[in-house]
Amino acid sequence: EVQLVESGGGLVQAGGSLRLSCTASAFSFRTYELNWVRQAPGKGLEWVSYISDSGYVAYYGVSVRGRFTTTRDNAKNSFYLQMNSLRAEDTAVYYCAVGTSSPDYWGQGTLVTVSS
Amino acid sequence: QAVLTQPSSLSASPGASASLTCTLRSGINVGAYRIHWYQQRPGSPPQYLLTYKSDLDKQQGSGVPSRFSGSTDASANAGILLISGLQSEDEADYYCMIWHNNVYVFGTGTKVTVL
Repeated sequence: EVQLVESGGGLVQAGGSLRLSCTASAFSFRTYELNWVRQAPGKGLEWVSYISDSGYVAYYGVSVRGRFTTTRDNAKNSFYLQMNSLRAEDTAVYYCAVGTSSPDYWGQGTLVTVSS
Repeated sequence: QAVLTQPSSLSASPGASASLTCTLRSGINVGAYRIHWYQQRPGSPPQYLLTYKSDLDKQQGSGVPSRFSGSTDASANAGILLISGLQSEDEADYYCMIWHNNVYVFGTGTKVTVL
C-alpha cells in the first residue's frame, strides 16, 4: 500500500522560505511521478508542481513559478518543495500526490500559514 | 473563463443516481483529454476515483466501487462522473482534473449533498 507523509509545514512571515518534504513507503518510488497540490482554507484544489520519475523534468503552476522548486531523492523515497518569497496567498494545506500517470495516491497534507 | 467548470452543488436522494459534469473551456476538446476525478470528504485529503478518456482508455481507482463511472458528452464538451445508488458516504466535494499545456488543472468542484 502506498503511504505518503508530508512534513515541514508551519507559520512563516511573508517573504520567508519553507521546505516541505514528502516521504513515501512501500512502493516503487522511482517509477512514480510526483506532484504537490494545495488547498487554501475553504477553497478548491490548486495544483502546484510536478516532477517526473527521472527528476529531470519539472513543471509549476503559474502562481508559484519562479518562487517554488520541487526536487526528489529516490534513494530516500522522498521529494521536496522549496518555497521562497512566500506570500499570504500561499497559505494552504499542501498535499503530496503520486502516481504513474496521474496523482492517484495522496498524503494527509501539511498546513503552511504565511503571515503578513 | 475557467479551463474546467463544474456546477457548485448538486443534491440527490439516497439510492438515486447523480451525474456530475466537468465542462471544458471552448477550444479545448474533451475527446483529447484523460479526465481524472477525485472525491474529498470533509476534513480528509482528496481520494482518486477514476480516469476516463474513452471506453478503451479508462482506469478505476483501487478499491473504488463500480457504481462510480466515467463518460464524456462530446456535444457538451464535458466529462461526466456518474454515481449510481447514492449513499450517505458519497456526500463530499468532487473535482475533475486534466493535464493541459504541461500543467494539471483542477475543476472548480461540485459539492454533493445526499438528502
